[in-house]
Amino acid sequence: AQSVTQLDSQVPVFEEAPVELRCNYSSSVSVYLFWYVQYPNQGLQLLLKYLSGSTLVKGINGFEAEFNKSQTSFHLRKPSVHISDTAEYFCAVILYNQGGKLIFGQGTELSVKP
Amino acid sequence: GAVVSQHPSRVICKSGTSVKIECRSLDFQATTMFWYRQFPKQSLMLMATSNEGSKATYEQGVEKDKFLINHASLTLSTLTVTSAHPEDSSFYICSARDLRTPVGEQYFGPGTRLTVT
Repeated sequence: AQSVTQLDSQVPVFEEAPVELRCNYSSSVSVYLFWYVQYPNQGLQLLLKYLSGSTLVKGINGFEAEFNKSQTSFHLRKPSVHISDTAEYFCAVILYNQGGKLIFGQGTELSVKP
Repeated sequence: GAVVSQHPSRVICKSGTSVKIECRSLDFQATTMFWYRQFPKQSLMLMATSNEGSKATYEQGVEKDKFLINHASLTLSTLTVTSAHPEDSSFYICSARDLRTPVGEQYFGPGTRLTVT
């Protein structure tokens, strides 16, 4: 069965520190990979996506992620976080040729402290 | 571009009544829309996939008679929670798939908070 695992449910970090949110997936078919951010009581906003090509993907708000096929990982990173980055982050995959259904990880709550 | 709206943003209803939630793609056409449910501090759970002009495909464990989905046009899908009960209280989020993007990236609505009293 295909699945997405976010290894940390909560990540507290101080402002201006670097952060990495981890995501691993398991799939027997090719996947497309996404990171979304959700602010309280809001929908999801796309941060970045990997479809093909360069494995290092840059997104909005200074975030980037690297697709590692051998480790089946797609970790999200930011070199210096702001208070405004406090939110819930979801890793997700779309299975190739599976109708575009997103499979979400459990989410990681990023809490940036002053 | 690629804006998805939901209406209403919040709704409170009494147990036993029905509630309709609308999902619209404002500036693009979407043959496929998805409906998710999210409990507090949890991830999104896909409820159903809605295709324009055909019956929705429900995920395992989702009651199709309770959660009625209609996708009447390329820009509108509705979710009706019939005979709502307190356990149906949740955050419902829709997303729409843009025809123009090859992978079918999904754009999410802002969500609807349903409270059943």
